[in-house]
Amino acid sequence: DTAVSQTPKYLVTQMGNDKSIKCEQNLGHDTMYWYKQDSKKFLKIMFSYNNKELIINETVPNRFSPKSPDKAHLNLHINSLELGDSAVYFCASSQLVSGGVADTQYFGPGTRLTVL
Amino acid sequence: GENVEQHPSTLSVQEGDSAVIKCTYSDSASNYFPWYKQELGKRPQLIIDIRSNVGEKKDQRIAVTLNKTAKHFSLHITETQPEDSAVYFCAARYTGTASKLTFGTGTRLQVTL
Repeated sequence: DTAVSQTPKYLVTQMGNDKSIKCEQNLGHDTMYWYKQDSKKFLKIMFSYNNKELIINETVPNRFSPKSPDKAHLNLHINSLELGDSAVYFCASSQLVSGGVADTQYFGPGTRLTVL
Repeated sequence: GENVEQHPSTLSVQEGDSAVIKCTYSDSASNYFPWYKQELGKRPQLIIDIRSNVGEKKDQRIAVTLNKTAKHFSLHITETQPEDSAVYFCAARYTGTASKLTFGTGTRLQVTL
């Protein structure tokens, strides 16, 4: 009955590699997000999609590219990984309510990315 | 854009005491203020939230207050227990064309026996 799931849970890779993280939600939500949590625990939004359309695109290097094949899935692809990309990446989802404003966000379990 | 400040960064209380965490926000258009609890190695989980049309909300030992004029909101935990130990994040939603949650920097709460 997992609401928001992510794979993999842990990802260890070398600098310069390309990797992907996958996220799926079974809550029927129409909005999904990617957050980055660094070593100091700061939670910062990176991207948001609503019904497969990109609606939030924060100042993130263009090595990061999100892809939403359908509204239940949001993947994150990272090219040419750098040491500074090491962090925990959280996916989240929510449902747009009246007025075009999204309600409560539910987080996935996180993917701990370590770049060596 | 929105800016959320959170204090203190660490808080240590004895079991049974109360804990208070305070946040301020910058955008008067923000209308939704959730609080998340994150245990070590786990995901952030919503524990309580408040909307701008309400001044206070309670859920058992947890309460949140909102002062729209001063643009600050607080989390109050009474009768703290060891399992309350975690990092707590406040957040504010900026009501632009896209709904974006801006998080505070977190408060590490330690409840000691």
